[in-house]
Amino acid sequence: DAKTTQPPSMDCAEGRAANLPCNHSTISGNEYVYWYRQIHSQGPQYIIHGLKNNETNEMASLIITEDRKSSTLILPHATLRDTAVYYCFCGRDDKIIFGKGTRLHILP
Amino acid sequence: DTAVSQTPKYLVTQMGNDKSIKCEQNLGHDTMYWYKQDSKKFLKIMFSYNNKELIINETVPNRFSPKSPDKAHLNLHINSLELGDSAVYFCASSQRGSGVSTDTQYFGPGTRLTVL
Repeated sequence: DAKTTQPPSMDCAEGRAANLPCNHSTISGNEYVYWYRQIHSQGPQYIIHGLKNNETNEMASLIITEDRKSSTLILPHATLRDTAVYYCFCGRDDKIIFGKGTRLHILP
Repeated sequence: DTAVSQTPKYLVTQMGNDKSIKCEQNLGHDTMYWYKQDSKKFLKIMFSYNNKELIINETVPNRFSPKSPDKAHLNLHINSLELGDSAVYFCASSQRGSGVSTDTQYFGPGTRLTVL
């Protein structure tokens, strides 16, 4: 599975778009990019995943670069409830290896 | 209705004891998992079961034994508990898994195990 690199923390003003980057330069052709988040003391929650096309759902958008070596998770209108640790990883969904993630702070 | 539930939520016990954590999912999923999240917040997969058969068994001491009585349940039994076993244990499930699916995983609320 490809190793991922994320900034340890980020701040975002409430109501603004939160853009969380992830580098996965060693991703292989059949590996998906997944994003989960973990709100304090809760189980991880699935957000979105994609292979090479950009994806959007009710929670977020996922932008994957053409070479697939990096991606960005976009929360279009961040709220205080989006404060969490966001994990990006690549691989198969039956073998998730979470890294350290990005701790996103939403500022009122 | 809770999709993936775990009991107990908190478990405090002495070293050397044997304990079990129960997990149930009512989503009709075929695959269930156990993860361990240590004090540094790393979340690592321990086991994966598909239709009651073990398909992933990461490097976990054999004191840890998963038991799947049916597709909806995957319990984790831990023998001879050690201090280093203190962590939060998460159960999860997905529709298919087995490396051929992109189905998402649904996690339980976690069980915080403290070994004294």
